[in-house]
Amino acid sequence: NAGVTQTPKFQVLKTGQSMTLQCAQDMNHNSMYWYRQDPGMGLRLIYYSASEGTTDKGEVPNGYNVSRLNKREFSLRLESAAPSQTSVYFCASRPWTSGDPEQFFGPGTRLTVL
Amino acid sequence: QQPVQSPQAVILREGEDAVINCSSSKALYSVHWYRQKHGEAPVFLMILLKGGEQKGHEKISASFNEKKQQSSLYLTASQLSYSGTYFCGTVVSSGSRLTFGEGTQLTVNP
Repeated sequence: NAGVTQTPKFQVLKTGQSMTLQCAQDMNHNSMYWYRQDPGMGLRLIYYSASEGTTDKGEVPNGYNVSRLNKREFSLRLESAAPSQTSVYFCASRPWTSGDPEQFFGPGTRLTVL
Repeated sequence: QQPVQSPQAVILREGEDAVINCSSSKALYSVHWYRQKHGEAPVFLMILLKGGEQKGHEKISASFNEKKQQSSLYLTASQLSYSGTYFCGTVVSSGSRLTFGEGTQLTVNP
């Protein structure tokens, strides 16, 4: 089991460029999430997908779009990158089981926008 | 609404104890605790559910006061490996998403 994988691990963009962050999980989890982490700000939810075919906005969705391609994959797109989007991006997944299960995080993508 | 964690940072010597607190203004279904080491992803530690059920690490204990919507994480006889940032995440109803606090940075020195 690879768990949650993210690509790329590092990326440098120029202002205005676009890119897609990829996330995949092999644990057959229903729910998937994208967070950003800035120094001192904790983990802020950008978008999430409670199940295949659905997506919802989190706390900080502006400037991002997502696609739940299938049950395994959940991508995050920056259409026109801005320096304020410099951050570490984490993808996470969570199963639908009783007892409020834990979330599993990917290793993160470190994005710098110049 | 984001839960509030305290303290923001704590420095210990190996073997000392620490308590990290998490409080919410909303009624909670559960509280999650995660630890993140520098440059790594957060890792699950423990879940405390409404009604008293707990799941998680054998060596870490925590409490959940449902009346006050507060949780505390107890780190006893700290080890160097305990260093990292601790996040609480709160859930307001079964199946709803986690909302994370800003974290508590714990440093354990020899």
